[in-house]
Amino acid sequence: DAGVTQSPTHLIKTRGQQVTLRCSPKSGHDTVSWYQQALGQGPQFIFQYYEEEERQRGNFPDRFSGHQFPNYSSELNVNALLLGDSALYLCASSLEWGQGYGYTFGSGTRLTVV
Amino acid sequence: KQEVTQIPAALSVPEGENLVLNCSFTDSAIYNLQWFRQDPGKGLTSLLLIQSSQREQTSGRLNASLDKSSGRSTLYIAASQPGDSATYLCAVDGSGFQKLVFGTGTRLLVSP
Repeated sequence: DAGVTQSPTHLIKTRGQQVTLRCSPKSGHDTVSWYQQALGQGPQFIFQYYEEEERQRGNFPDRFSGHQFPNYSSELNVNALLLGDSALYLCASSLEWGQGYGYTFGSGTRLTVV
Repeated sequence: KQEVTQIPAALSVPEGENLVLNCSFTDSAIYNLQWFRQDPGKGLTSLLLIQSSQREQTSGRLNASLDKSSGRSTLYIAASQPGDSATYLCAVDGSGFQKLVFGTGTRLLVSP
């Protein structure tokens, strides 16, 4: 049973560029959440998708946007990259929004902005 | 605004010791609390999830307790092993809608 798959694993971008990160949820999961983890910090909630809609959003600017596809996979897009966007981006999937069953996390995408 | 604090920030112990990691949260109105393990540069592995109505959960050498009224949780690791070396993160879900608030973690090193 495949867990959460994220791609790419590593990425280097230049300030001002745009980036797209991808996530395939665990089989049977329908909710996808994205987190940003800066070095030495705990993950920070970016947003969550369920039924192809953004259902919750953390304290992140509009430069961060996302999408969920009918097969429940998801993308995270970041525009106008800043040096401070360098972080590990984690995708987590879960079963049934609102049930509190807990998450399965992917291994993350390490984004470096230079 | 929910805030989660983990103490200590780092811990170094010899193999075989029993140890306790602490997590505190400011808003006791939580839906559940989850403990995760993170190896360097890697994603998170879920260890234990405690629903707000529960007091503790056990998995192998791990035991997590929850005192919601005081805003505290502890993760007890018995007979520690070098393979337990990792960062341990505590996270609370305040609404049941799986928006987790994380602590900054405890970095554990178990020496042979």
